Amino acid sequence: GENVEQHPSTLSVQEGDSAVIKCTYSDSASNYFPWYKQELGKRPQLIIDIRSNVGEKKDQRIAVTLNKTAKHFSLHITETQPEDSAVYFCAALGPSLKLSFGAGTTVTVRA
Amino acid sequence: EAQVTQNPRYLITVTGKKLTVTCSQNMNHEYMSWYRQDPGLGLRQIYYSMNVEVTDKGDVPEGYKVSRKEKRNFPLILESPSPNQISLYFCASSTYSDRGLDGYTFGSGTRLTVV
Repeated sequence: GENVEQHPSTLSVQEGDSAVIKCTYSDSASNYFPWYKQELGKRPQLIIDIRSNVGEKKDQRIAVTLNKTAKHFSLHITETQPEDSAVYFCAALGPSLKLSFGAGTTVTVRA
Repeated sequence: EAQVTQNPRYLITVTGKKLTVTCSQNMNHEYMSWYRQDPGLGLRQIYYSMNVEVTDKGDVPEGYKVSRKEKRNFPLILESPSPNQISLYFCASSTYSDRGLDGYTFGSGTRLTVV
């Protein structure tokens, strides 16, 4: 089955700096890669996703890149703000429609 | 309002006493899924369903059962709860196509304690 690894597990950045989270996946047939943000005590919420026919996608301060050859994808947050502090999860959807998640990255933005 | 509704939010039970956590969505989604969230392990899929009467095992199905008799409901059943099932549980639903999932929405979560 699909195995998703996420790094780093914790990330502390100064407000205004960029944050990068990286994920690798094992199943080359996976074709959909969403990212979720989970604030303390709340449910995960989709912030951006990318499909296998695209290499990069951007939405304001958030961007995701996908390298299918290397089987890795990354989340980039620019100009970080205190409200970006949360746990972020990457995920990969395999051909059987099983969605597998990484273990999560706790991002702390220092004021 | 489009949503995924889970009940209850908090559940305390005793070892071995059967329980059901309900999940309902009002978005006519084909795809529904259950996850458990544990510190350091992220979200692990328990079971998922691509449509009525179609269910498949996720990564950690042991000790759980599900059913999908209606499109909107996907209950999670613990026949004999044990302490290793103490966790935060999320239900989620989505439409899907050959392009992947679309509109993946999580419920508000159910925190289960087994004593």
